[in-house]
Amino acid sequence: AQSVTQLGSHVSVSEGALVLLRCNYSSSVPPYLFWYVQYPNQGLQLLLKYTTGATLVKGINGFEAEFKKSETSFHLTKPSAHMSDAAEYFCAVIHTGGFKTIFGAGTRLFVKA
Amino acid sequence: EAGVVQSPRYKIIEKKQPVAFWCNPISGHNTLYWYLQNLGQGPELLIRYENEEAVDDSQLPKDRFSAERLKGVDSTLKIQPAELGDSAVYLCASSKDTRAGGYNEQFFGPGTRLTVL
Repeated sequence: AQSVTQLGSHVSVSEGALVLLRCNYSSSVPPYLFWYVQYPNQGLQLLLKYTTGATLVKGINGFEAEFKKSETSFHLTKPSAHMSDAAEYFCAVIHTGGFKTIFGAGTRLFVKA
Repeated sequence: EAGVVQSPRYKIIEKKQPVAFWCNPISGHNTLYWYLQNLGQGPELLIRYENEEAVDDSQLPKDRFSAERLKGVDSTLKIQPAELGDSAVYLCASSKDTRAGGYNEQFFGPGTRLTVL
């Protein structure tokens, strides 16, 4: 069975600091991997996705993630945090040929001035 | 282009009462999803429609939950009777046809926050 583990339910960084949100997945077949962001009282918005090809994926708002098959990881990074990045971030997986998205429990990012 | 529309945004009811949520997907999106999001958790799929057909309802608690998408566009999710544990956010999402396989991006609505007292 597929699963997604996000390490750390809360992450706090200072404005301008590196953002690193961790995601590990389990899948018996090559997966599609996603990061979504959710602002308060809003739906989820796709930040970036990995399907095939280049393992370093760039998304919106300066975020990027790297698919590491050997580590079964898909960590999300941003070089310099901005106050507007404060939100909930969800990692998700679909195994290729499937239709069901499995979401992690989410990591809430706090950005300190 | 309008996004996924959901109503109401907030609903407060007493336990044992019925409640219904409505979703209008993005125009041209054949696939519609209903998700349940508990506080501090990621969304969990309740049901997926391809046009008017429910192709995955394995996670829908059918004793009290029902859903319909009669004309393959709008959808309604109903709970009858509601229980205290149903308090959560109910998200609707839509995407282009997924029957051919591969991946089509899901677009989410803002959700309906249900509180059962």
